[in-house]
Formats: sequence, structure tokens, C-alpha cells
Amino acid sequence: QMHLQESGPGLVKPSETLSLTCTVSGGSISSYYWSWIRQPPGKGLEWIGYIFYTGTTSYNPSLKSRATISMHTSKTQFSLRLSSVTAADTAVYYCARVGGANSFWGQGTLVTVSS
Amino acid sequence: EIVLTQSPGTLSLSPGERATLSCRASQSVTVSYVAWYRQTPGQAPRLLIYGASNRATGIPDRFSGSGSGTDFTLTISRLEPEDFAMYYCQYYYTSQWTFGQGTKVEIK
Repeated sequence: QMHLQESGPGLVKPSETLSLTCTVSGGSISSYYWSWIRQPPGKGLEWIGYIFYTGTTSYNPSLKSRATISMHTSKTQFSLRLSSVTAADTAVYYCARVGGANSFWGQGTLVTVSS
Repeated sequence: EIVLTQSPGTLSLSPGERATLSCRASQSVTVSYVAWYRQTPGQAPRLLIYGASNRATGIPDRFSGSGSGTDFTLTISRLEPEDFAMYYCQYYYTSQWTFGQGTKVEIK
């Protein structure tokens, strides 16, 4: 059974860069879309972006090029960097494998943007 | 940009009743990339349906999905206690990923 776990700081200052890592166990990053999705408190789900196993990336245009997703050479981790954060970026951030009959999500990590 | 609109916003039903949730796309979409999720408070979303009508692994047969083009439906034939939750539809095709705003199924 595949397991995903997010890690990173829970508090980031405004204008700084949010950095999160997703560690994949029970398998490697092969096939499928490996994505980051966030959920502001009390609100719905927002797609941030994905990296395909080939290394191809795609991002939500609403983030205005602030997001970067990369894959580690180990092929068991992928990361999110979100620059110039504001309070509006406060959310639970999920990493997830999307596609096909099985979708695996991390438990989510709350990131608060505050000085 | 594809926009998914879910309706109703809230559905008030009793256990054992049938729930019908709608997801409408702003333009015709590829059915293979339409999914439905259920999310309970404090938990990550769980995949219910993929490819618009296929149940995900381990999902009971009280859940069914249908639709094509711009209109998609999730039906729960008999509501169980764990089904009172938020439901999201999703489209994930190439760079056109998006979620609907959600439908809350609450106990009447």
C-alpha cells in the first residue's frame, strides 16, 4: 500500500518562500500524476500543480508562476516551493498521487502565513 | 479554463435515503478524467469514482457515477453514517485540472 507524507515548516512569514516535501513509501514515483493540492481553512480544494513521472510539470495559472514542483533524484520524494506568500496562502497542503483506480493522499499539513 | 459547478450546495437527507449530486462543466470534458471524492472533517479526500463511472478500489456499490459532455452525477443509493460529508468533483486532463466547489451532504 502506497503512503504519502508531507513535511515542512508549519509557519512561514509573509513574502517568504513556502517549502514542502512529500515522501512516498510503498512504491516509487513512476507513472501517474504527483500533485500538490491545498485547502484554506473552511474552504474547498485548490489544485496547485503536478509533476508527471517524466518530469513534466503543470501549474494552476492563478498562482501566477509562484509555484515550482520538483522531483528528487531518489524518485521517492517530490517538493513544492511557493514564493512570495501572503496570508491568502494559509491552508492545509496535501500531496497526492492522482490517476486510475487508486488515488493516494497524504494526511495534509497546515501551513500558516504570519509574521 | 474549465470551471466545475456543483449543485446543490447542501443536501439535507436522512440515513438510508438516496443522494444525487451534480457536477456541471463550463465546456465539454473528457470523461476519462472526471473523478469524485468524499471528504470527512479533518481527513484527506478519498477517491470514490474515476473515469466518471468507475468505482475506485474498495468503494462499495452504493456509490455510482454517470455522465458525459458537461453534466456528471454522483449517486449514493442508501446513505450510511459515514456518507454525511463533503463531496468534490474533479477534472484532471493535461494542464486543465480543477475541482468543483463541493456539495455538503448533511443529516436532516
